[in-house]
Amino acid sequence: DTGVSQDPRHKITKRGQNVTFRCDPISEHNRLYWYRQTLGQGPEFLTYFQNEAQLEKSRLLSDRFSAERPKGSFSTLEIQRTEQGDSAMYLCASSPGTDYNEQFFGPGTRLTVL
Amino acid sequence: SQELEQSPQSLIVQEGKNLTINCTSSKTLYGLYWYKQKYGEGLIFLMMLQKGGEEKSHEKITAKLDEKKQQSSLHITASQPSHAGIYLCGAVSLRDYKLSFGAGTTVTVRA
Repeated sequence: DTGVSQDPRHKITKRGQNVTFRCDPISEHNRLYWYRQTLGQGPEFLTYFQNEAQLEKSRLLSDRFSAERPKGSFSTLEIQRTEQGDSAMYLCASSPGTDYNEQFFGPGTRLTVL
Repeated sequence: SQELEQSPQSLIVQEGKNLTINCTSSKTLYGLYWYKQKYGEGLIFLMMLQKGGEEKSHEKITAKLDEKKQQSSLHITASQPSHAGIYLCGAVSLRDYKLSFGAGTTVTVRA
């Protein structure tokens, strides 16, 4: 399967711990997006990369959130000092990078903070 | 940011019946995407509409874009249990190509 993959699929952590999620986009896609989805809502944009450059990060929810895409391939999203309000589904998407290309989503990582 | 309102929030249809979901934008639409999501899973791309008046169909699903009204509709003909799920519309930003989504419409198909 050459779609977008995310790891882990589920993560349960205690409040205050740090967590890191990984996203592997479709190999030829140079744009990568992170979204967060809470129950009953549509996905909410967090940040995106064009190759290794992070072009928009103002929507990251706080300074506890950070994302990287070191070699323009896979990406990681880290949440430090997790809070119960961080519990959500974290979705990654990739696109080829030309105008209006559809974004292909991964299966998501469901985070539960106890 | 662009706000999208979907209606209805949820609907239940009898198998074989048609259904329509609407998506209205607070701002000019430059590109409108429809996705389907099964509970707890990722989003599956259905179709993208770019031009005013554009209409696309895939199997029994048809989507239309009315630029003047800043609206899109998704119509499913002769619904089947496989059509059950959450349907999300998303509008693309010209600046950074991020998608802003509506809250979704939950579709239940009763046999």
